[in-house]
Amino acid sequence: EIVMTQSPATLSVSPGERATLSCRASQSVSSNLAWYQQKPGQAPRLLIYDASTRAAGIPARFSGSGSGTEFTLTISSLQSEDFAVYYCQQYNNWPPTFGGGTKVEIK
Amino acid sequence: EVKLVQSGAEVKKPGESLKISCKGSGYTFPYYWIGWVRQMPGKGLEWMGIIYPDDSDTRYSPSFQGQVTISADKSITTAYLQWSSLKASDTAMYYCAKLGSSSWKEKFDYWGQGTLVTVSS
Repeated sequence: EIVMTQSPATLSVSPGERATLSCRASQSVSSNLAWYQQKPGQAPRLLIYDASTRAAGIPARFSGSGSGTEFTLTISSLQSEDFAVYYCQQYNNWPPTFGGGTKVEIK
Repeated sequence: EVKLVQSGAEVKKPGESLKISCKGSGYTFPYYWIGWVRQMPGKGLEWMGIIYPDDSDTRYSPSFQGQVTISADKSITTAYLQWSSLKASDTAMYYCAKLGSSSWKEKFDYWGQGTLVTVSS
């Protein structure tokens, strides 16, 4: 089973600043990686798939990059509604697996 | 508009059985894998398994194989997650979610609202 490791566990950022979240796979997952956002009391929402493709309706301030084992989610200028927990997930190898999450909190 | 609507919260005792549901609409239900994700209180997301409603091909993560049963009824566009004997450790929020195509190598593009299952004596 591929282990997905996200860092940092918590990221404190001021509104308007840039946030960079990392996700590392224990072996190559090619570009078969997605990012999800989860706000308290809500279901996760798809942000990015295939490592760098924004899902429908996702603002351009969200971008994804990487391939193989190293991936990054960047939020260019944090808005108040972006404070949430972010999960990466690989779907290249069976079983698909999620990372442990990064909580983005207000600094 | 794609929608996944899950059944309501459940409170059960250890040893009891349970079946929760997820009704899909707004897309061709039989031809997209639909899966289940567990989130224990205060914890992260865990991928449980998926089913292809058209032929009921079902695949489980090894961590959940034998612990739960996933099924679907394409005639009523509904998927199910069931337990034969609940444990306190099954207490969690359970989400259904649809994969993005007929391949299992896909992201979850739409999610249900979640069903909270509480198991307590």
